[in-house]
Amino acid sequence: DAKTTQPPSMDCAEGRAANLPCNHSTISGNEYVYWYRQIHSQGPQYIIHGLKNNETNEMASLIITEDRKSSTLILPHATLRDTAVYYCIVRVAGEYGNKLVFGAGTILRVKS
Amino acid sequence: NAGVTQTPKFQVLKTGQSMTLQCAQDMNHNSMYWYRQDPGMGLRLIYYSASEGTTDKGEVPNGYNVSRLNKREFSLRLESAAPSQTSVYFCASSEIIASDTEAFFGQGTRLTVV
Repeated sequence: DAKTTQPPSMDCAEGRAANLPCNHSTISGNEYVYWYRQIHSQGPQYIIHGLKNNETNEMASLIITEDRKSSTLILPHATLRDTAVYYCIVRVAGEYGNKLVFGAGTILRVKS
Repeated sequence: NAGVTQTPKFQVLKTGQSMTLQCAQDMNHNSMYWYRQDPGMGLRLIYYSASEGTTDKGEVPNGYNVSRLNKREFSLRLESAAPSQTSVYFCASSEIIASDTEAFFGQGTRLTVV
């Protein structure tokens, strides 16, 4: 299975952009990169995903390098409510279908 | 919309007791998953079911069994609970055919084994 590597924690000032990096150097050509976040031990919440093109939605932007070995999640204007654990995940194919394998994630602390 | 519903939300067991964690989704998804999350850790996959009638082991299947009862329901059973199984358990569901669809998670079951 492809693995991801993220920094254990990051700080960001409120109102500034939060840039969360992720390395996935063993990713295969057909594996998507997903980002989820988890607030206060609630169930993880989907943020965004992509294959090779950059993606943007109402929550965030995802920048994937051309070689697909790394990506960056961008929260353009971080708020205190964005304080959470952010997970970068590669969805991999198992014997009976796709599955999500989580890493340790990055604790993002947004400070006023 | 209910999404993914887990029951119970909290449970305390004595060592050696058995119990079944229930999960149901109303999004007509094919794939369902069970994860556990220990304090300060990320989620680890226990078992998953890519479609009705199939199940497969994840990273940490020992001590657990699963049943995909129908397309909506996926249960996780602890036959003989141990303190090491104290954790928060999350169920999730997603589509199977395309690999570019998101998974939806329940709110978790907090299990303590004493």
